[in-house]
Amino acid sequence: EADIYQTPRYLVIGTGKKITLECSQTMGHDKMYWYQQDPGMELHLIHYSYGVNSTEKGDLSSESTVSRIRTEHFPLTLESARPSHTSQYLCASSEWGQGDTGELFFGEGSRLTVL
Amino acid sequence: GNSVTQMEGPVTLSEEAFLTINCTYTATGYPSLFWYVQYPGEGLQLLLKATKADDKGSNKGFEATYRKETTSFHLEKGSVQVSDSAVYFCALSTGNKLTFGGGTRVLVKP
Repeated sequence: EADIYQTPRYLVIGTGKKITLECSQTMGHDKMYWYQQDPGMELHLIHYSYGVNSTEKGDLSSESTVSRIRTEHFPLTLESARPSHTSQYLCASSEWGQGDTGELFFGEGSRLTVL
Repeated sequence: GNSVTQMEGPVTLSEEAFLTINCTYTATGYPSLFWYVQYPGEGLQLLLKATKADDKGSNKGFEATYRKETTSFHLEKGSVQVSDSAVYFCALSTGNKLTFGGGTRVLVKP
């Protein structure tokens, strides 16, 4: 069982509010990722990190921001939520190094609804 | 660049039927291949993987064989159960990041 946790699982919030989705892992993984999953199920990489103080934009442009101050923690922030941000957000982590097969471990997701 | 194409769903089956979900890929180098499963309301879980050509991954009655000659990694299960209802994602990795297919929803009816 993967040790990666996301909170909150569900969030309903009004337009213009600031929100932070939390993601923590206890596996000591260097690499962490945020995916946005649309209602059609497709997964889009929006942010990733190779380690502390490393953050990169993913394949899909996103108004959210991320930070990586500690290895185990990779929060995602929206400064001003809009209805277009309504989606499921999935956090994942993986090992880094020789022999890395690229397997990702996922959290259970945070479903955000912006009214 | 890398890409993964999998059959569109939904796939609707009766219990104990045979399931195949096709997956083909395009990649530079020698990718590792994965099948992930997402049950309703949950995140993704690794179902099985194969890291080199001709490897067969298997788990929970599911199997997939890494076919380099046809660049495919089709998922199969001989007898599905209602509890197999989920969305299945094929994915590949060349070590840097994972590339996912669009997902295939499977619904198994009793």
